[in-house]
Amino acid sequence: GAVVSQHPSWVICKSGTSVKIECRSLDFQATTMFWYRQFPKQSLMLMATSNEGSKATYEQGVEKDKFLINHASLTLSTLTVTSAHPEDSSFYICSARDPVTVNTEAFFGQGTRLTVV
Amino acid sequence: AQSVTQPDIHITVSEGASLELRCNYSYGATPYLFWYVQSPGQGLQLLLKYFSGDTLVQGIKGFEAEFKRSQSSFNLRKPSVHWSDAAEYFCAVGPNQAGTALIFGKGTTLSVSS
Repeated sequence: GAVVSQHPSWVICKSGTSVKIECRSLDFQATTMFWYRQFPKQSLMLMATSNEGSKATYEQGVEKDKFLINHASLTLSTLTVTSAHPEDSSFYICSARDPVTVNTEAFFGQGTRLTVV
Repeated sequence: AQSVTQPDIHITVSEGASLELRCNYSYGATPYLFWYVQSPGQGLQLLLKYFSGDTLVQGIKGFEAEFKRSQSSFNLRKPSVHWSDAAEYFCAVGPNQAGTALIFGKGTTLSVSS
């Protein structure tokens, strides 16, 4: 089945630095990808919809300038957490659905555990 | 408003016992329904999905779910739980459009006792 790969799996960074997370669709072209944030023992909160070749669509309450999303190709979307602070520590997951396959589900990356110290 | 409700935050079942995880949805259009499982520190794996047709769908790992339109429910079941089934389970609903994100419930944590 279709696979979405996310990298890195975990990252530790210092406060004030930026961290980039990559999400790749390995065997299909994803014109749209989704970025979620998940707090411990909680559900997935949609942060933004990443659109290939255009600006991302952010959910209400998500800071565009802090969470920069770039979808420069049909197989790659990146999320950059800028000027990270400890409160940005979380589990980030990307997702994509194959636009060609009928009745397709959403495929998820393995997630990135971000710890800001 | 579109939403998914999983009434049970945490369920504990004995190994070998049957399991039912509840899911109710509110969705304005034709609902496409999914159950995902998440192990700690991992992404989500699809257990099963419903788009149309037979309202009882079979999934991986011996799971099944039944779509009941009259009750707006899509409950997940397994006749005999294994210790390895302990995980977080999420019900989700969405349109059949690749460009639209799924809406997730808050999840149910399943613990399996020996």
